[in-house]
Amino acid sequence: QKEVEQDPGPLSVPEGAIVSLNCTYSNSAFQYFMWYRQYSRKGPELLMYTYSSGNKEDGRFTAQVDKSSKYISLFIRDSQPSDSATYLCAMSVYGNNRLAFGKGNQVVVIP
Amino acid sequence: KAGVTQTPRYLIKTRGQQVTLSCSPISGHRSVSWYQQTPGQGLQFLFEYFSETQRNKGNFPGRFSGRQFSNSRSEMNVSTLELGDSALYLCASSTGDVMNTEAFFGQGTRLTVV
Repeated sequence: QKEVEQDPGPLSVPEGAIVSLNCTYSNSAFQYFMWYRQYSRKGPELLMYTYSSGNKEDGRFTAQVDKSSKYISLFIRDSQPSDSATYLCAMSVYGNNRLAFGKGNQVVVIP
Repeated sequence: KAGVTQTPRYLIKTRGQQVTLSCSPISGHRSVSWYQQTPGQGLQFLFEYFSETQRNKGNFPGRFSGRQFSNSRSEMNVSTLELGDSALYLCASSTGDVMNTEAFFGQGTRLTVV
């Protein structure tokens, strides 16, 4: 079983829709949870960073962590064509900078 | 504040050769981690350097090595290149503080082995 599972299927949504992405994980020691956005031929850009369970909101982005279910989510409200990118979840254990990544979801927002 | 700088951006090498990639972290950051990104495997952790010492290591063969200098800049070396080493190599910069693992990535070095 992989440490982090992220269904890599592409996702196409119309502009203005809510995008919902999620990851599951098997390592209960993970305490730091991140979402990265990666545009084609670029490096990943840190979008959201959360510690332990709970919600975090930043503009149109909301990250949720449910440690009891080992499940994290990212929601993008009022999606824009500029949100078209690959979204990667990542997580790490306290005291260890090694990030475990999901495979990523390619999101396309159609104008 | 300058971001993470990786050089070169693109490289083409022949099987059997070796290659050295460079990463300059964000000013004040002492930890540099390296990742390999391929379409099939996604992002995989290679190793992390902190204060010139390797602090963590992933499951890659010994052909992959790295080092860090006193100014926190890091280099990664791959010897005896194989076709399967073709990938985007990314470095991530962080403070190194165990209570804050926010990591910021560079643009990557695209290595093609022919």
